[in-house]
Amino acid sequence: QKEVEQNSGPLSVPEGAIASLNCTYSDRGSQSFFWYRQYSGKSPELIMFIYSNGDKEDGRFTAQLNKASQYVSLLIRDSQPSDSATYLCAVNVQGAQKLVFGQGTRLTINP
Amino acid sequence: EAGVAQSPRYKIIEKRQSVAFWCNPISGHATLYWYQQILGQGPKLLIQFQNNGVVDDSQLPKDRFSAERLKGVDSTLKIQPAKLEDSAVYLCASSLGSGGGSPLHFGNGTRLTVT
Repeated sequence: QKEVEQNSGPLSVPEGAIASLNCTYSDRGSQSFFWYRQYSGKSPELIMFIYSNGDKEDGRFTAQLNKASQYVSLLIRDSQPSDSATYLCAVNVQGAQKLVFGQGTRLTINP
Repeated sequence: EAGVAQSPRYKIIEKRQSVAFWCNPISGHATLYWYQQILGQGPKLLIQFQNNGVVDDSQLPKDRFSAERLKGVDSTLKIQPAKLEDSAVYLCASSLGSGGGSPLHFGNGTRLTVT
């Protein structure tokens, strides 16, 4: 089982709709969860981080964490073509004190 | 605040040659990371430094890869000799804290092509 799993996509969403990106992780001791956005040919940039169960909102982005189900998601409301990118989920591995990335989900917003 | 600096941006070498990458983290960031990102995959941690010391290098191919962090600031990653499968983007990142609990800030990366 991979430490961090994401559906590689591509995920296609119409402009203005809600995009939902999902991530599962295997380490029950994980405490820190991050979402990064990566445009083609660019390096990852941090969008959001979440440490506690529940929802965390920042503008059009909402991160949702469910530690019991070992599941973290990212919702993008009012999707824009500029949101088209690969979204990387990253989770800390408690014992190894390191951050592990999923393979990323490629998101396309269609005008 | 200046970001993470990396050089070079691009490098093309032949297999069996050597190559080195340089990284300067954000000022004050104690933790420095080197990740390898192969096309279509997520970043894979090669080595993590906390100040001068190595925290994790479990996925570093030590027969060909080496890394050092000089005086707890700049870092270099070297590959010798390079193989075709080393073609990837090498990302340097830094964070204020350690243990995977602090957000990482990435440099622009070095795109390596091995022919």
